[in-house]
Amino acid sequence: DIQMTQSPSSLSASVGDRVTITCRASQSIKNYLNWYQQKPGKAPKLLISAASSFQSGVPSRFSGSGSGTDFTLTISSLQPEDFATYYCQQGYTTPFTFGQGTKLEIK
Amino acid sequence: EVQLVESGGGLVQPGGSLRLSCAASGFTFSSFWMSWVRQAPGKGLEWVADIKQDGSERYYGDSVKGRFTISRDNAKNSVYLQMNTLRAEDTAVYYCAREGTRDNDYWGQGTLVTVSS
Repeated sequence: DIQMTQSPSSLSASVGDRVTITCRASQSIKNYLNWYQQKPGKAPKLLISAASSFQSGVPSRFSGSGSGTDFTLTISSLQPEDFATYYCQQGYTTPFTFGQGTKLEIK
Repeated sequence: EVQLVESGGGLVQPGGSLRLSCAASGFTFSSFWMSWVRQAPGKGLEWVADIKQDGSERYYGDSVKGRFTISRDNAKNSVYLQMNTLRAEDTAVYYCAREGTRDNDYWGQGTLVTVSS
């Protein structure tokens, strides 16, 4: 199975900060990398698919990049509603494994 | 509007069985792969299984292979997860999700399965 490793596991930041979360795959997954946002007690929400493609309604402050094994999710200017847990997921081959998550907290 | 509504969760003893259901609406169900993803309390997401549009292909995560079976009924716009030989470590919220292009673009609200004596 492909292992997905996110860093950091947790992150404290302030409103207005620029933050970057990284995700590394144990082998090349081309650009089959998705990012999800999950808030407490809620289902995950797809933010970005195919490494850099926005879902409808996702604010432009979110961006994704990368290919092969290394990927990043960047939030250009944190808003209060962005404090949540973020997961990457590879869509290259089943099982479509997730990273362990990055919890973004308010500083 | 796409809607996915899970049901069937509850408390079950170790070694027992449970069948989860997911009712879909708001899209052409028979045109999409469907997935189950779970989340143990306080933990991350774990991909469980998926099934092709016509049910001819099914894939499972290693931790459930041989114990869980995913199925679907396109006439009822529903996908199911039959869970047998349940263990304490299967305790989780189980989400039904639609597969877009190698992603999960819509999710249900989840149903809690608790395996405990």
